[in-house]
Amino acid sequence: GQQVMQIPQYQHVQEGEDFTTYCNSSTTLSNIQWYKQRPGGHPVFLIQLVKSGEVKKQKRLTFQFGEAKKNSSLHITATQTTDVGTYFCAGLGGANNLFFGTGTRLTVIP
Amino acid sequence: NAGVMQNPRHLVRRRGQEARLRCSPMKGHSHVYWYRQLPEEGLKFMVYLQKENIIDESGMPKERFSAEFPKEGPSILRIQQVVRGDSAAYFCASSARQGSEQYFGPGTRLTVT
Repeated sequence: GQQVMQIPQYQHVQEGEDFTTYCNSSTTLSNIQWYKQRPGGHPVFLIQLVKSGEVKKQKRLTFQFGEAKKNSSLHITATQTTDVGTYFCAGLGGANNLFFGTGTRLTVIP
Repeated sequence: NAGVMQNPRHLVRRRGQEARLRCSPMKGHSHVYWYRQLPEEGLKFMVYLQKENIIDESGMPKERFSAEFPKEGPSILRIQQVVRGDSAAYFCASSARQGSEQYFGPGTRLTVT
């Protein structure tokens, strides 16, 4: 069956350092979505990427969709304590079902 | 503009009782999804429904769990004869179209004692 894996599972960074999480799918995706879940909260939609090789930016966050539409990355520049949380990617498969990745939990040390 | 609403936010049940979780999607959304999340773990897809139809229930346990989304009223996730292993956060999400971004509710934290 379709799987979406994320690495790393956990990441601790010093405030001000950069952070990257990677998402890999076993099959080609129609689109990829990214969500953020703060501790104790619920997932919140961040962005959707549709085109092969697409890159989108939201302030300090840069999202990339691979050329083969099977992988994606989220990069945060100069992390802040407000970036703390778990970042999930979610890939849209052939049957129009969304498969969530395993998530990367980010801890930012002030 | 109310978002996805879930109630109750916290639910405590004794083993063997029934748990009934409710979800009202965002206005205009007809696609509803239920997920389970254990502490420190990711989101596990359970079921996807549209009004009066179950579209995909591949993530639902075969026994004790059921879901519905009636023509009128909220979507309901029902867990019969709860066991300790059912303790988790249950999130509902809705979307305007199949495959489009999903908006999550605050979740129901179920504790089985």
